[in-house]
Amino acid sequence: EDQVTQSPEALRLQEGESSSLNCSYTVSGLRGLFWYRQDPGKGPEFLFTLYSAGEEKEKERLKATLTKKESFLHITAPKPEDSATYLCAVLSTGNQFYFGTGTSLTVIP
Amino acid sequence: GAVVSQHPSRVICKSGTSVKIECRSLDFQATTMFWYRQFPKQSLMLMATSNEGSKATYEQGVEKDKFLINHASLTLSTLTVTSAHPEDSSFYICSATAVLEDYEQYFGPGTRLTVT
Repeated sequence: EDQVTQSPEALRLQEGESSSLNCSYTVSGLRGLFWYRQDPGKGPEFLFTLYSAGEEKEKERLKATLTKKESFLHITAPKPEDSATYLCAVLSTGNQFYFGTGTSLTVIP
Repeated sequence: GAVVSQHPSRVICKSGTSVKIECRSLDFQATTMFWYRQFPKQSLMLMATSNEGSKATYEQGVEKDKFLINHASLTLSTLTVTSAHPEDSSFYICSATAVLEDYEQYFGPGTRLTVT
């Protein structure tokens, strides 16, 4: 069964404390893996797309990596404004999108 | 980046009435649009996928006669919640892709529907 699992469900970090969020996936074929940020009461904001194992992308304090089974979103020296829910989604070769349930990140000043 | 708008951002309606939500791609042509529903502290639940000029494809368990979707142009899709009930109260989000090969979905800001 195709699915996407994110962990942890919630993460509390001190400002400056680096960490990683995990997105594990099982799909028949991967076309792309996406990371989004969602603030409360707003629609998800696109962050990254990764297409193949070994690919990495960076944006400010965020870095996304991809293997054949999972993706990590690394947050380096986070700030309170990085607090949000981070969603992972996968597009299969069957053109189906699968979303994870998200990781709620809280960065404490 | 690609911009998607939704209107209205919030709507309160009485039970039994119908509500229409618009989703527009502002700076690109959206060949495919998606409608999601999100409950508090839960992830997105895909309701339907629509391609311009064709009937929407609904996910299992989503009533197509209750949630009417129209994708009349490459920049506009509408979701009409018919005969709304309090259990239809939710956060509705649309997204759009420019061309499926591009893969990325760009999301609208969402519409908070409250049915009293």
